[in-house]
Amino acid sequence: QKEVEQDPGPLSVPEGAIVSLNCTYSNSAFQYFMWYRQYSRKGPELLMYTYSSGNKEDGRFTAQVDKSSKYISLFIRDSQPSDSATYLCAMSAFQGAQKLVFGQGTRLTINP
Amino acid sequence: DAGVTQSPTHLIKTRGQQVTLRCSPKSGHDTVSWYQQALGQGPQFIFQYYEEEERQRGNFPDRFSGHQFPNYSSELNVNALLLGDSALYLCASNSPGYNRVAGGELFFGEGSRLTVL
Repeated sequence: QKEVEQDPGPLSVPEGAIVSLNCTYSNSAFQYFMWYRQYSRKGPELLMYTYSSGNKEDGRFTAQVDKSSKYISLFIRDSQPSDSATYLCAMSAFQGAQKLVFGQGTRLTINP
Repeated sequence: DAGVTQSPTHLIKTRGQQVTLRCSPKSGHDTVSWYQQALGQGPQFIFQYYEEEERQRGNFPDRFSGHQFPNYSSELNVNALLLGDSALYLCASNSPGYNRVAGGELFFGEGSRLTVL
């Protein structure tokens, strides 16, 4: 069993839709949870960073962490074609750790 | 302010050969790590370098080795290449942390795409 499981998709939705992306994990030592966005032929860029359980909102993006269920989510409201990318969840046991454990990535396409 | 830079961007090798990939961290960063991203997969941690020493290592064989230079730049070397080594190799860096684990945001380069034939 992988430490982090993420539905690889692909996921295709119309512009303006609400998108929900999810990851589950098995290692209870994970305390820091991240979502990265990776455009084609580019490196991952940090989108959201949360600590422990709870919600964090940044513009159209909301990250949720439920440590009791070992489940994290990213919601994208009013999705735009520019949001089309691969979204990777990542986790670590330590703040600012270099060693992150990533999910497989979900390829998202927003159709105009 | 230059971000994390990697070279070469693309390269093709044959089985059994050796490859060296290079990385310059973001300005102000002193810690570098390397990740392997196979097609359709998430990045996997290879190792981390700080103060010119390997500090952490993921589940990769000894064929994967690295080096960090006094200017914080780094190299990843892979010997005896296998077809399965074909992947995007990502370098990441972050700023100094209080206890070497509590650093800042991890910044990634655009990667070096290695194809092994």
